[in-house]
Amino acid sequence: QVQLQESGPGLVKPSETLSLTCTVSGGSITSYYWSWIRQPPGKGLEWIGYIYYSGNTNYNPSLKSRVTISVDTSKNQFSLKLTSVTAADTAVYYCVRHLGYCSATGCSSWFDPWGQGTLVTVSS
Amino acid sequence: EIVLTQSPGTLSLSPGERATLSCRASQIVSRSSLAWYQQKPGQAPRLLIYGASSRATGIPDRFSGSGSGADFTLTISRLEPEDFAVYFCQQYGSTPSTFGQGTKLEIK
Repeated sequence: QVQLQESGPGLVKPSETLSLTCTVSGGSITSYYWSWIRQPPGKGLEWIGYIYYSGNTNYNPSLKSRVTISVDTSKNQFSLKLTSVTAADTAVYYCVRHLGYCSATGCSSWFDPWGQGTLVTVSS
Repeated sequence: EIVLTQSPGTLSLSPGERATLSCRASQIVSRSSLAWYQQKPGQAPRLLIYGASSRATGIPDRFSGSGSGADFTLTISRLEPEDFAVYFCQQYGSTPSTFGQGTKLEIK
């Protein structure tokens, strides 16, 4: 049974870079596509972007200029970097697995399972 | 991008009652590419339904999804105490995938 666990700093200063890592256990990261999703406190969910083990990525246009997602197959991990953060980036960040259909040109997929989530607060 | 509007924002019902939650899209959702999730306080969302009407593994049959085009419904036939939570819909028929703002199902 695949499980995901997010890790990284819980506090980031404005204008700095948010960095998180997701560790995949119970299965190989090479078998699926993987995404980051975030949820500001008390609000809805926003898809950030996905990655395949080959390095193929796709980002939400609303965040594309600030987001980089990378993968480390040797550690069965993938990571998120979000630059120039502001208070609006304060959220619980989840890593998730794609199910459904994905290809090099895009995904048509739902998400399961989800990591437990990690709260990142942007504040000085 | 496709905007999903969920209604009602809050639904107050009693255990044993039937719950009907709506998710309306701003455009046609291709191939009924819609999923439903349940989220309890302090927990990650849990997949309930995908493909508009297919139950995920381990989901009780009191949960059912229906709809097509731009209108979708999640029905919980007989509410159990553990069903009171927030429910989100997600469309994955077009990029970027988007979520509704959620419906809170609370105990009356």
